[in-house]
Amino acid sequence: EAGVTQSPTHLIKTRGQQATLRCSPISGHTSVYWYQQALGLGLQFLLWYDEGEERNRGNFPPRFSGRQFPNYSSELNVNALELEDSALYLCASSNLFPAQVGGYTFGSGTRLTVV
Amino acid sequence: GENVEQHPSTLSVQEGDSAVIKCTYSDSASNYFPWYKQELGKRPQLIIDIRSNVGEKKDQRIAVTLNKTAKHFSLHITETQPEDSAVYFCAASITYNNNDMRFGAGTRLTVKP
Repeated sequence: EAGVTQSPTHLIKTRGQQATLRCSPISGHTSVYWYQQALGLGLQFLLWYDEGEERNRGNFPPRFSGRQFPNYSSELNVNALELEDSALYLCASSNLFPAQVGGYTFGSGTRLTVV
Repeated sequence: GENVEQHPSTLSVQEGDSAVIKCTYSDSASNYFPWYKQELGKRPQLIIDIRSNVGEKKDQRIAVTLNKTAKHFSLHITETQPEDSAVYFCAASITYNNNDMRFGAGTRLTVKP
């Protein structure tokens, strides 16, 4: 079974540009979660999508947005990039009741560097 | 919303010793508490979890305890080995409400051979 896949692995953008990150969940998982992991820091919750809808978002500005497609894959868009957006962006997936099936499964992440 | 605090931020032990990492949470409605291990350059992976109807859970050398009254839970690793060296994250969520988990800041565990 394929795990959670993220693309691209690395992304370098210039300040002010837009970045698009992609995530494909495990087959059968309907929920996708996005987390930001800045260097040396913990996992900051960004967004949760389930069945195509945004269910919750963390304490991030509106320039962080995303969507979930009918096949449950997801995009994270970051507009007007700032230097402090440089981080590892992790995607995770689960079914609607992660506590029943062992929590989340994480992808390997996209490392975004803003120069 | 839920706020999870984790201590210590770094922990160094000798091989064979025990390691304990502690977390507190703020929302008394939280009912699911997983622990993730993230080795350098790799994705976080679930190592053990506990639900609020259980006070303790053990899996070989790792165990987790939960004190709902005090709103804290701990990870215990016994007979540590160098391969246990990693960053460990605790998390809390309310599975019947918001599924999104809030993570602690992480503990960097180093096991010295």
